[in-house]
Amino acid sequence: AQSVSQHNHHVILSEAASLELGCNYSYGGTVNLFWYVQYPGQHLQLLLKYFSGDPLVKGIKGFEAEFIKSKFSFNLRKPSVQWSDTAEYFCAVNAENTDKLIFGTGTRLQVFP
Amino acid sequence: EPEVTQTPSHQVTQMGQEVILRCVPISNHLYFYWYRQILGQKVEFLVSFYNNEISEKSEIFDDQFSVERPDGSNFTLKIRSTKLEDSAMYFCASSTTGYEQYFGPGTRLTVT
Repeated sequence: AQSVSQHNHHVILSEAASLELGCNYSYGGTVNLFWYVQYPGQHLQLLLKYFSGDPLVKGIKGFEAEFIKSKFSFNLRKPSVQWSDTAEYFCAVNAENTDKLIFGTGTRLQVFP
Repeated sequence: EPEVTQTPSHQVTQMGQEVILRCVPISNHLYFYWYRQILGQKVEFLVSFYNNEISEKSEIFDDQFSVERPDGSNFTLKIRSTKLEDSAMYFCASSTTGYEQYFGPGTRLTVT
Protein backbone atom coordinates (compact mmCIF):
# COMPACT_ATOMS: atom_id res chain seq x y z
CA ALA A 1 0.00 0.00 0.00
CA GLN A 2 1.13 3.53 -0.64
CA SER A 3 2.36 5.52 2.32
CA VAL A 4 3.96 8.87 3.01
CA SER A 5 6.46 9.55 5.77
CA GLN A 6 7.34 12.89 7.23
CA HIS A 7 10.23 12.44 9.59
CA ASN A 8 10.12 15.79 11.33
CA HIS A 9 7.08 16.06 13.56
CA HIS A 10 7.91 19.39 15.14
CA VAL A 11 10.49 21.90 13.94
CA ILE A 12 11.40 25.08 15.78
CA LEU A 13 13.40 27.76 14.00
CA SER A 14 14.34 31.37 14.39
CA GLU A 15 13.44 33.86 11.69
CA ALA A 16 15.87 33.89 8.75
CA ALA A 17 16.94 30.28 9.37
CA SER A 18 16.79 27.87 6.47
CA LEU A 19 14.15 25.16 6.39
CA GLU A 20 14.09 21.68 5.00
CA LEU A 21 11.23 19.30 5.73
CA GLY A 22 11.58 15.70 4.69
CA CYS A 23 8.99 13.67 2.83
CA ASN A 24 9.36 10.13 1.55
CA TYR A 25 6.76 8.00 -0.16
CA SER A 26 6.46 4.36 -0.97
CA TYR A 27 5.15 3.61 -4.42
CA GLY A 28 7.08 2.27 -7.38
CA GLY A 29 5.11 3.85 -10.18
CA THR A 30 4.34 7.33 -11.39
CA VAL A 31 3.21 9.74 -8.69
CA ASN A 32 1.99 13.27 -8.32
CA LEU A 33 3.40 15.04 -5.28
CA PHE A 34 2.04 17.90 -3.21
CA TRP A 35 2.84 20.03 -0.20
CA TYR A 36 -0.08 21.56 1.65
CA VAL A 37 0.13 24.12 4.45
CA GLN A 38 -2.36 24.75 7.21
CA TYR A 39 -1.94 28.07 9.02
CA PRO A 40 -3.44 28.27 12.51
CA GLY A 41 -7.23 28.32 12.29
CA GLN A 42 -7.24 28.05 8.52
CA HIS A 43 -7.85 25.35 5.94
CA LEU A 44 -5.35 23.27 4.01
CA GLN A 45 -3.83 25.31 1.20
CA LEU A 46 -1.83 23.99 -1.72
CA LEU A 47 1.75 25.20 -1.41
CA LEU A 48 3.23 23.49 -4.44
CA LYS A 49 2.87 20.47 -6.68
CA TYR A 50 4.90 18.20 -8.92
CA PHE A 51 3.39 16.29 -11.81
CA SER A 52 6.29 15.90 -14.26
CA GLY A 53 9.20 17.79 -15.80
CA ASP A 54 11.73 19.82 -13.83
CA PRO A 55 12.13 18.05 -10.47
CA LEU A 56 12.72 21.37 -8.71
CA VAL A 57 9.37 23.06 -8.28
CA LYS A 58 8.66 26.47 -6.89
CA GLY A 59 5.56 27.31 -4.94
CA ILE A 60 4.03 30.25 -3.21
CA LYS A 61 5.71 32.34 -0.50
CA GLY A 62 9.26 31.40 -1.51
CA PHE A 63 8.91 27.67 -0.93
CA GLU A 64 10.40 25.08 -3.25
CA ALA A 65 10.59 21.31 -3.31
CA GLU A 66 12.81 18.83 -5.05
CA PHE A 67 11.62 15.49 -6.37
CA ILE A 68 14.37 12.86 -6.21
CA LYS A 69 12.92 9.75 -7.83
CA SER A 70 15.77 7.46 -6.78
CA LYS A 71 15.21 8.37 -3.14
CA PHE A 72 11.39 8.47 -3.33
CA SER A 73 11.64 11.90 -1.74
CA PHE A 74 10.01 15.29 -2.14
CA ASN A 75 11.59 17.57 0.45
CA LEU A 76 10.31 21.07 1.07
CA ARG A 77 12.76 23.93 1.42
CA LYS A 78 12.83 27.63 2.12
CA PRO A 79 16.10 29.54 2.39
CA SER A 80 14.90 32.04 5.00
CA VAL A 81 11.77 31.47 7.09
CA GLN A 82 9.54 34.16 8.53
CA TRP A 83 7.39 34.21 11.64
CA SER A 84 4.36 34.04 9.32
CA ASP A 85 5.49 30.60 8.10
CA THR A 86 4.41 29.13 11.44
CA ALA A 87 1.98 26.42 10.36
CA GLU A 88 1.54 22.71 9.84
CA TYR A 89 2.95 21.30 6.61
CA PHE A 90 1.61 18.17 4.96
CA CYS A 91 3.18 16.15 2.19
CA ALA A 92 0.75 14.21 -0.01
CA VAL A 93 0.93 11.82 -2.93
CA ASN A 94 -1.41 10.39 -5.45
CA ALA A 95 -0.46 7.56 -7.70
CA GLU A 96 -1.36 6.99 -11.33
CA ASN A 97 -4.91 5.77 -11.92
CA THR A 98 -6.19 7.33 -8.72
CA ASP A 99 -6.86 10.83 -7.51
CA LYS A 100 -7.08 10.05 -3.82
CA LEU A 101 -4.42 11.82 -1.81
CA ILE A 102 -2.30 9.91 0.68
CA PHE A 103 -1.06 12.27 3.37
CA GLY A 104 1.90 12.22 5.69
CA THR A 105 1.42 12.89 9.39
CA GLY A 106 2.36 16.54 9.03
CA THR A 107 5.18 18.67 10.42
CA ARG A 108 4.45 21.46 12.82
CA LEU A 109 6.74 24.41 12.16
CA GLN A 110 7.17 27.13 14.75
CA VAL A 111 9.19 30.19 13.80
CA PHE A 112 10.25 32.59 16.52
CA PRO A 113 11.11 36.23 15.82
CA GLU B 1 -10.41 33.78 -5.09
CA PRO B 2 -13.08 31.06 -5.02
CA GLU B 3 -13.00 28.77 -2.01
CA VAL B 4 -14.58 25.56 -0.84
CA THR B 5 -16.95 26.22 2.04
CA GLN B 6 -18.25 23.82 4.67
CA THR B 7 -21.06 23.96 7.19
CA PRO B 8 -21.33 23.67 10.08
CA SER B 9 -17.89 24.43 11.43
CA HIS B 10 -18.59 22.32 14.51
CA GLN B 11 -21.25 19.67 15.01
CA VAL B 12 -21.93 17.88 18.27
CA THR B 13 -24.13 14.82 18.14
CA GLN B 14 -25.04 11.85 20.25
CA MET B 15 -23.96 8.33 19.38
CA GLY B 16 -26.45 6.67 17.05
CA GLN B 17 -27.72 9.91 15.56
CA GLU B 18 -27.53 10.78 11.88
CA VAL B 19 -25.44 13.75 10.77
CA ILE B 20 -25.14 15.52 7.45
CA LEU B 21 -22.05 17.54 6.71
CA ARG B 22 -22.36 20.04 3.93
CA CYS B 23 -19.88 21.39 1.42
CA VAL B 24 -20.09 23.88 -1.41
CA PRO B 25 -17.27 23.10 -3.84
CA ILE B 26 -15.69 25.66 -6.14
CA SER B 27 -18.24 26.30 -8.86
CA ASN B 28 -16.51 25.00 -12.00
CA HIS B 29 -14.99 21.95 -10.30
CA LEU B 30 -16.11 18.49 -11.31
CA TYR B 31 -14.37 16.20 -8.82
CA PHE B 32 -15.36 16.13 -5.19
CA TYR B 33 -13.84 14.45 -2.15
CA TRP B 34 -14.25 13.85 1.54
CA TYR B 35 -11.32 13.29 3.88
CA ARG B 36 -11.19 13.08 7.63
CA GLN B 37 -8.57 13.63 10.30
CA ILE B 38 -8.95 12.03 13.71
CA LEU B 39 -7.17 14.10 16.33
CA GLY B 40 -3.45 13.39 16.26
CA GLN B 41 -3.64 11.21 13.17
CA LYS B 42 -3.14 11.57 9.44
CA VAL B 43 -5.62 13.10 7.02
CA GLU B 44 -7.37 10.05 5.51
CA PHE B 45 -9.21 9.72 2.22
CA LEU B 46 -12.85 8.68 2.50
CA VAL B 47 -14.45 8.98 -0.93
CA SER B 48 -14.21 10.60 -4.34
CA PHE B 49 -17.20 11.58 -6.46
CA TYR B 50 -17.37 12.40 -10.14
CA ASN B 51 -20.18 12.59 -12.66
CA ASN B 52 -22.78 11.97 -9.96
CA GLU B 53 -21.33 8.75 -8.72
CA ILE B 54 -18.68 7.48 -6.34
CA SER B 55 -15.44 6.89 -8.23
CA GLU B 56 -13.41 5.52 -5.35
CA LYS B 57 -13.91 4.87 -1.65
CA SER B 58 -11.73 3.73 1.21
CA GLU B 59 -12.39 0.86 3.59
CA ILE B 60 -13.44 3.46 6.18
CA PHE B 61 -16.37 4.45 3.93
CA ASP B 62 -18.71 1.65 4.91
CA ASP B 63 -22.49 1.38 4.68
CA GLN B 64 -22.90 3.99 7.42
CA PHE B 65 -21.56 6.64 5.08
CA SER B 66 -23.13 8.11 1.96
CA VAL B 67 -22.51 11.09 -0.28
CA GLU B 68 -24.81 13.10 -2.44
CA ARG B 69 -24.80 16.11 -4.70
CA PRO B 70 -28.44 17.06 -4.28
CA ASP B 71 -28.70 20.27 -6.22
CA GLY B 72 -25.66 20.90 -8.41
CA SER B 73 -23.93 23.11 -5.87
CA ASN B 74 -23.88 21.28 -2.53
CA PHE B 75 -21.98 18.09 -1.80
CA THR B 76 -22.97 16.28 1.36
CA LEU B 77 -21.60 13.52 3.55
CA LYS B 78 -24.12 11.63 5.63
CA ILE B 79 -23.26 9.37 8.53
CA ARG B 80 -26.35 7.32 9.35
CA SER B 81 -25.64 6.18 12.88
CA THR B 82 -22.66 7.92 14.40
CA LYS B 83 -20.15 6.13 16.60
CA LEU B 84 -17.69 7.61 19.08
CA GLU B 85 -14.86 6.80 16.68
CA ASP B 86 -16.43 8.99 13.99
CA SER B 87 -15.31 12.02 15.99
CA ALA B 88 -12.90 13.80 13.66
CA MET B 89 -12.35 16.81 11.45
CA TYR B 90 -14.04 16.22 8.08
CA PHE B 91 -12.63 18.01 5.06
CA CYS B 92 -14.31 18.46 1.73
CA ALA B 93 -12.18 19.09 -1.36
CA SER B 94 -12.84 19.77 -5.01
CA SER B 95 -10.83 19.77 -8.21
CA THR B 96 -11.12 20.53 -11.91
CA THR B 97 -8.65 17.89 -12.96
CA GLY B 98 -8.92 15.21 -10.31
CA TYR B 99 -5.40 15.84 -9.06
CA GLU B 100 -4.91 19.36 -7.72
CA GLN B 101 -7.41 19.45 -4.88
CA TYR B 102 -8.66 22.49 -2.98
CA PHE B 103 -9.81 21.96 0.57
CA GLY B 104 -12.51 23.52 2.68
CA PRO B 105 -12.00 24.65 6.29
CA GLY B 106 -13.43 21.45 7.72
CA THR B 107 -16.25 20.46 10.04
CA ARG B 108 -15.30 19.27 13.49
CA LEU B 109 -17.63 16.41 14.39
CA THR B 110 -17.86 15.47 18.06
CA VAL B 111 -19.83 12.34 18.90
CA THR B 112 -20.76 12.00 22.57
